[in-house]
Amino acid sequence: TQLLEQSPQFLSIQEGENLTVYCNSSSVFSSLQWYRQEPGEGPVLLVTVVTGGEVKKLKRLTFQFGDARKDSSLHITAAQPGDTGLYLCAGPQTGANNLFFGTGTRLTVIP
Amino acid sequence: DAGITQSPRHKVTETGTPVTLRCHQTENHRYMYWYRQDPGHGLRLIHYSYGVKDTDKGEVSDGYSVSRSKTEDFLLTLESATSSQTSVYFCAISDGLQRLNSPLHFGNGTRLTVT
Repeated sequence: TQLLEQSPQFLSIQEGENLTVYCNSSSVFSSLQWYRQEPGEGPVLLVTVVTGGEVKKLKRLTFQFGDARKDSSLHITAAQPGDTGLYLCAGPQTGANNLFFGTGTRLTVIP
Repeated sequence: DAGITQSPRHKVTETGTPVTLRCHQTENHRYMYWYRQDPGHGLRLIHYSYGVKDTDKGEVSDGYSVSRSKTEDFLLTLESATSSQTSVYFCAISDGLQRLNSPLHFGNGTRLTVT
């Protein structure tokens, strides 16, 4: 079974602070996706990283895929209350057409 | 937003009763999925469909069945609900293969409570 472990599980920070959340696995993934989920809604895709070592930026969010394609990180600069939500990483199951999801990091940004 | 509607949004049922959750899409996407979300477990795949009448099991399929008689509808049935099936259920759709990085588009979930 391919497992994706996310850390920290919970994170509460003040507006304006920086933060990093992690997604780790012992398995190699061909790609990883990051989703954000707000209360009462389904997850929404933020980004897909495909190449080992790849870095993608989405405004204040920076995503990195590890060189060995076993891990990924999400860094948020100058967090805002609108960043509050559950952040999920996900990777495709080898040989099948579905995604494994990590356990998530619940971020709260306090104004 | 992708056109995905889940119904009902909330349901309370008793142990042992059958329950059917519906997912309806207007995107004509080939792939449809049912996930459950529980604290500490993230999202876990129950069943998925890769076409009309074509379905396959996910990692937590025991106690669940699905049907897809039309492209736009994917039904999830709990034949005899148990308290362990209390969860939030999400339907998702995709127009391509996950292993080729096609994103999932999710509905807003059904909160099911089995008493």
